[in-house]
Amino acid sequence: GAGVSQTPSNKVTEKGKYVELRCDPISGHTALYWYRQSLGQGPEFLIYFQGTGAADDSGLPNDRFFAVRPEGSVSTLKIQRTERGDSAVYLCASSPAQGREQYFGPGTRLTVT
Amino acid sequence: AQSVTQLGSHVSVSEGALVLLRCNYSSSVPPYLFWYVQYPNQGLQLLLKYTSAATLVKGINGFEAEFKKSETSFHLTKPSAHMSDAAEYFCAVSFSGNTGKLIFGQGTTLQVKP
Repeated sequence: GAGVSQTPSNKVTEKGKYVELRCDPISGHTALYWYRQSLGQGPEFLIYFQGTGAADDSGLPNDRFFAVRPEGSVSTLKIQRTERGDSAVYLCASSPAQGREQYFGPGTRLTVT
Repeated sequence: AQSVTQLGSHVSVSEGALVLLRCNYSSSVPPYLFWYVQYPNQGLQLLLKYTSAATLVKGINGFEAEFKKSETSFHLTKPSAHMSDAAEYFCAVSFSGNTGKLIFGQGTTLQVKP
């Protein structure tokens, strides 16, 4: 079946602009996670959704970052007033339930110039 | 604080040789442990997982890992390396009663020489 998909695959934006990154999880997966992977590092947790609600947003670096999952399926990560330090690969993962194995999408590579 | 340490950012082996990638974790509660592989320009793929059943876990592509509580380790092994095993490998932990979020190590790049 279809895996986790993320769009766009690459996004280049200017400093100060607003960006949206989309994640389509595996159908039926209730848990959805966002991670950020900087060059040469392991992924770092950003936010976790169980259904429509953000159950844990402790990894969001500041209030320029927020995410939504209005219908409990597709999620959008939104970054306001982008900074060069936001450049990274943003990964989305879904899971059939909290604590189960996570299936990752290919990521969106964000470059802020 | 809970953390994961992967010893060796780069490991190089010859084709056919044993692969050993090291992972140690720090936690006061029993963890769930995972190994993921990442090929260039691709997402993370689950290799195997430990969730408190058998301590020796077999995964895909001939990889296996053994959970050793006394050593707080979960090292990944493969008896005979193949050229296609060249990739980045990540060890990760999560904890029961938590949200299931994964804490990743820094990663180990495996190079396989002909």
